[in-house]
Amino acid sequence: DAGVTQSPTHLIKTRGQQVTLRCSPKSGHDTVSWYQQALGQGPQFIFQYYEEEERQRGNFPDRFSGHQFPNYSSELNVNALLLGDSALYLCASSAYMGQGWGYTFGSGTRLTVV
Amino acid sequence: GQQVMQIPQYQHVQEGEDFTTYCNSSTTLSNIQWYKQRPGGHPVFLIQLVKSGEVKKQKRLTFQFGEAKKNSSLHITATQTTDVGTYFCARGLQGAQKLVFGQGTRLTINP
Repeated sequence: DAGVTQSPTHLIKTRGQQVTLRCSPKSGHDTVSWYQQALGQGPQFIFQYYEEEERQRGNFPDRFSGHQFPNYSSELNVNALLLGDSALYLCASSAYMGQGWGYTFGSGTRLTVV
Repeated sequence: GQQVMQIPQYQHVQEGEDFTTYCNSSTTLSNIQWYKQRPGGHPVFLIQLVKSGEVKKQKRLTFQFGEAKKNSSLHITATQTTDVGTYFCARGLQGAQKLVFGQGTRLTINP
C-alpha cells in the first residue's frame, strides 16, 4: 500500500483530447507534486501544489495544469494531448520530516496517447 | 547545473555479487535522496542524505554522501533477486520542494 492513491491506473486517449488524472495524498501530507516518467527515464517534475496554490513548476507547457482541493487531493489536467505525452504520471505527496522532505509516490497512471 | 548524472546506466550481476551505482553533480547538493523502482512499479523512497561525508546503512545497502556534497553512492552487498529494479538518485531543490532525478541505474541479476 503506497499510501498515495492515483486513478485511473491506465488510460488510452486520442491525440487532441483532454485528460484528468487524480491523486489522494498520504494521510498527514499536505503537499502534492506531479511527475512525468517516460519509458526508461527518470521522473520529471511537472508542478507542486500546497494550500491549493501552484508553488513550483517545471519545464512543461501550459497544456499541463493542476488543482488542489481543500482535502489536499489533486488533479492533473492535460489538454490537446500529443503522442509524446504518453508516459507514467506519478503523484507524490510530501511532508517536512525535520531534516528534510519525505516523499511518497503513488503507483501512477499510465497514459497512452494514440 | 541542476542535473545529476548516474552511472552506470545498466548493470547485470550474478546473484551474490556486489553492486554500486554512483550519482554525480557539478554543483553542491543540499541533499540527495535514493529511490528504488521495481519493473512496472513506482519509485519507493529508500533514504535521504544531508550531511557531508554521511554514511547510512540499511541491511545490505550502504549509502554515502561525498565530503564535497557533489556525489553520492549506493552499494548493495551480496545481491539477491529481490534487488532487481532501477535505482534513482534525486536532488532536492528549493528546499526539496522539487526533486530532480538522475536517469537511474537498472540492475538485473542472474540467479
